Amino acid sequence: AQTVTQSQPEMSVQEAETVTLSCTYDTSESDYYLFWYKQPPSRQMILVIRQEAYKQQNATENRFSVNFQKAAKSFSLKISDSQLGDAAMYFCAYSPPLYNFNKFYFGSGTKLNVKP
Amino acid sequence: EPEVTQTPSHQVTQMGQEVILRCVPISNHLYFYWYRQILGQKVEFLVSFYNNEISEKSEIFDDQFSVERPDGSNFTLKIRSTKLEDSAMYFCASSESTDYGYTFGSGTRLTVV
Repeated sequence: AQTVTQSQPEMSVQEAETVTLSCTYDTSESDYYLFWYKQPPSRQMILVIRQEAYKQQNATENRFSVNFQKAAKSFSLKISDSQLGDAAMYFCAYSPPLYNFNKFYFGSGTKLNVKP
Repeated sequence: EPEVTQTPSHQVTQMGQEVILRCVPISNHLYFYWYRQILGQKVEFLVSFYNNEISEKSEIFDDQFSVERPDGSNFTLKIRSTKLEDSAMYFCASSESTDYGYTFGSGTRLTVV
């Protein structure tokens, strides 16, 4: 069964510093997709970054980058130059292969606090 | 930037009443989903919908739930007889294809009293 684990319920970072949120997942599939979503206090879910499992290169989006370790089934999110607006819940999500209509499995989330 | 729109943002209903949660997906998207998030818990998959039919549903999505795309633009989730444990944030999402992330709506907070 697919499970997604976020072992850090809450983290804090100083503004302008770098923070890494961890995520591990369990699957028997070889091809899949991984995502990080941000949920601010408004509770909207905002896509931060995605990674295809068949790509070895780690995805990056501006200040956000991932460290994807397929063998270890690890998918961590690094936020560089943290800003106050980055404060939110962050959810890691796994999606099975294309033929399975993108049923997402979410982790339990990490609450990120950004200190001025 | 295109948005997925959900209405209402907050709905309070009496236990046993029927509720309809409404969503307007992005116009060129073909795949539609409902998820829910009970306060303090994980976001959970409810149902996926494609080509005017359910493609997959979870064990949560029992006979009390139904989905419909009545007019080619709206996508609705109906709960026939609400229970206290249905209180949650309900997210609609849509995607253009199956190889990208969803665009989520801003959610409907359902409170059953």
